[in-house]
Amino acid sequence: AQSVAQPEDQVNVAEGNPLTVKCTYSVSGNPYLFWYVQYPNRGLQFLLKYITGDNLVKGSYGFEAEFNKSQTSFHLKKPSALVSDSALYFCAVSSDYSSASKIIFGSGTRLSIRP
Amino acid sequence: GAVVSQHPSRVICKSGTSVKIECRSLDFQATTMFWYRQFPKKSLMLMATSNEGSKATYEQGVEKDKFLINHASLTLSTLTVTSAHPEDSSFYICSARDSLRDEQFFGPGTRLTVL
Repeated sequence: AQSVAQPEDQVNVAEGNPLTVKCTYSVSGNPYLFWYVQYPNRGLQFLLKYITGDNLVKGSYGFEAEFNKSQTSFHLKKPSALVSDSALYFCAVSSDYSSASKIIFGSGTRLSIRP
Repeated sequence: GAVVSQHPSRVICKSGTSVKIECRSLDFQATTMFWYRQFPKKSLMLMATSNEGSKATYEQGVEKDKFLINHASLTLSTLTVTSAHPEDSSFYICSARDSLRDEQFFGPGTRLTVL
């Protein structure tokens, strides 16, 4: 069975500073990893995914994530935070690269960027 | 990107009544749709996988008789919460799989409040 953990309920960062939102995963076989963002009262928006290849994945809105197999981590990063990045972020994992496979979500991390 | 809609966006009902939530893929056909429930503390729980023309596959612990899923066409899946109780109050989110683009797209969610 696959699972994903987001150890931080909330991350607070000053605007302009780099940000990191942590995620670790557990899956049998190859992991397929995702990051989604949710703004208030809205559905989930896809940010990026890792399937194979380069460990550094670049996504929407200047976000990137680094896949680390030895540490079973897939932390989300951005070099310079914007106030508009404030939202709820979900890490997710699937055991299959196909979109037909179910995606298991972490508990979410609320990112708050202060001006 | 592809659009997935949910209707209604918000519903309030009395305890004991049934509520139907629709999930539609607006510009693609979706043989597979997924239903999630998002609890107040943010975590997103997969409830079931809905396959067009066949029975839904429910996750462990989800009552199939309580949460009826019908995927009667390639663009529509419905979730009916039967005999709703206050503990069923939640944010329900669907996602639809676009097989051509091999991606899942999420709906905006439906806020259910049971009085």
